[in-house]
Amino acid sequence: DSGVTQTPKHLITATGQRVTLRCSPRSGDLSVYWYQQSLDQGLQFLIQYYNGEERAKGNILERFSAQQFPDLHSELNLSSLELGDSALYFCASSTRPDRPNEQFFGPGTRLTVL
Amino acid sequence: QKEVEQDPGPLSVPEGAIVSLNCTYSNSAFQYFMWYRQYSRKGPELLMYTYSSGNKEDGRFTAQVDKSSKYISLFIRDSQPSDSATYLCAMSGSGGYNKLIFGAGTRLAVHP
Repeated sequence: DSGVTQTPKHLITATGQRVTLRCSPRSGDLSVYWYQQSLDQGLQFLIQYYNGEERAKGNILERFSAQQFPDLHSELNLSSLELGDSALYFCASSTRPDRPNEQFFGPGTRLTVL
Repeated sequence: QKEVEQDPGPLSVPEGAIVSLNCTYSNSAFQYFMWYRQYSRKGPELLMYTYSSGNKEDGRFTAQVDKSSKYISLFIRDSQPSDSATYLCAMSGSGGYNKLIFGAGTRLAVHP
């Protein structure tokens, strides 16, 4: 158990809908990362937050947005869903200054868009 | 060309074999190198974390980084059926709190 929690585990929805994925980082971790894992693209970085501020953006679609709240949990919002958005979405967290970029992953949310 | 190349396998070995997994990369700015293990439909689990070139050993696992060749390896000694999983290499640049760039993952099957 990495200490990172994600809810829900599974999500099934229809095209055009909007969903929210939630992540709670390890205790004390200030940085949260979101990744998408699909069969054809592998694990791709989406977006990073550090202590409530957006720090970096990767291959994140405009239909997707995220935020990190004062209690450090983060939410990833996916809207106008398309079939191609079906994937595993992982959250990771990190904080150790002596081991930069050491990231611990949560169990993921499996999104199925029908 | 992808920044990180990793043979997807699958790799099938008998129990007890030494397994060698590799990644090559093109970005010379990468300074931190990691190996993750991912069981089917689970979150990636950090196995090894290394900085710059050199070797690191942890139990049956040894990670090697050769920055001059832009090549990293993970060796698994005395492989067990429980090692059957997908192994992902990941790397990031200098400084803290950087995104990770992942390889495609190598699927490993260790059969009794």
